[in-house]
Amino acid sequence: GAVVSQHPSWVICKSGTSVKIECRSLDFQATTMFWYRQFPKQSLMLMATSNEGSKATYEQGVEKDKFLINHASLTLSTLTVTSAHPEDSSFYICSALAADTQYFGPGTRLTVL
Amino acid sequence: AQSVAQPEDQVNVAEGNPLTVKCTYSVSGNPYLFWYVQYPNRGLQFLLKYITGDNLVKGSYGFEAEFNKSQTSFHLKKPSALVSDSALYFCAVSDGDDKIIFGKGTRLHILP
Repeated sequence: GAVVSQHPSWVICKSGTSVKIECRSLDFQATTMFWYRQFPKQSLMLMATSNEGSKATYEQGVEKDKFLINHASLTLSTLTVTSAHPEDSSFYICSALAADTQYFGPGTRLTVL
Repeated sequence: AQSVAQPEDQVNVAEGNPLTVKCTYSVSGNPYLFWYVQYPNRGLQFLLKYITGDNLVKGSYGFEAEFNKSQTSFHLKKPSALVSDSALYFCAVSDGDDKIIFGKGTRLHILP
């Protein structure tokens, strides 16, 4: 149990386009999901906390208009990278909170050309 | 393929005693190893990392971890536990690229 999926697992896009990443809890409901960003050889960076039915809470320094988060149901949160640029290229990973434990998705590698 | 294992679901330690939370890993190439802590309903907080250099890495809140290449381990340690250390701890490994793999987590209970 407690499986989290992400789609797509990888995506390549052109600069200026928008990309949507989905995070799903497959066999449980999660009122809270987290979005992280991973840079090579760096520690994971928490971007935002996504709460079902309300606005996401963004960490300091994360542009909420650039990284749009929608948590429309108890099993789905989406992260949309708007007007993507090469510096947005990264590994994005989500987690879903269940019974005080985080369950991580497999991650999405975004490459912006 | 990368993998990381945390063999203990839960660790109980009396306050003031030393604590160890175990982690073993598998990765092709040089490993990049991390420990994170999660407090209730919060996102992960970074504790420490090993990239290269000294095998003993010191991090936040008095935690340290020892990289052991022969045993492919990166156990988290603290000489004297505090009740406030009670939380969920995640070990993670990367191969130097940006992809990161997490262990399933170990719940640490510090008993007063």
